[in-house]
Amino acid sequence: NAGVTQTPKFRVLKTGQSMTLLCAQDMNHEYMYWYRQDPGMGLRLIHYSVGEGTTAKGEVPDGYNVSRLKKQNFLLGLESAAPSQTSVYFCASSYSGRDGGELFFGEGSRLTVL
Amino acid sequence: DAKTTQPPSMDCAEGRAANLPCNHSTISGNEYVYWYRQIHSQGPQYIIHGLKNNETNEMASLIITEDRKSSTLILPHATLRDTAVYYCIVRVRGNTPLVFGKGTRLSVIA
Repeated sequence: NAGVTQTPKFRVLKTGQSMTLLCAQDMNHEYMYWYRQDPGMGLRLIHYSVGEGTTAKGEVPDGYNVSRLKKQNFLLGLESAAPSQTSVYFCASSYSGRDGGELFFGEGSRLTVL
Repeated sequence: DAKTTQPPSMDCAEGRAANLPCNHSTISGNEYVYWYRQIHSQGPQYIIHGLKNNETNEMASLIITEDRKSSTLILPHATLRDTAVYYCIVRVRGNTPLVFGKGTRLSVIA
């Protein structure tokens, strides 16, 4: 049982390049989230998904796209990376049931855009 | 915007209780108080949550005032491994996304 796994853990991009971050969870969770964290700041929500095939915008969605084609995977895409997107990205998942609500986080993906 | 106010930093001696305060004066009746922590630059970790009654688990205790406008997270015997940023979050129970503030940086000192 791996929990929430993020790939890759580190990446360096040049301005204008594109890339995709993959989040995979093996807990059969309905809900998944992407956050970013800048130095000295709390986490900010980028996009989230309440089930397979659905996505919704969070606080800071601009410059990112997401897809949830399979229940266990949530992809975060950067179509044209900018230096302002240099950050640590965290994925999380949670149950949807009445007793759900606790978020399980991955270890983070550290992205640098030059 | 985060609905909570926390001190930016606190120190605690190893082996002593760490008491982390949180103000949430605009909390509504159906909102819970959640606590998470983030050790170094790892992913945040769930600690505890509560509605109006005090709660305790193997990690911590949560004390919520009777008017629910503030709460305190208590780590009964802090260790060096408890050094982390602690986030107090209010949200409706279920799966509304967590909104993080800046939290309290707790330093446990030997």
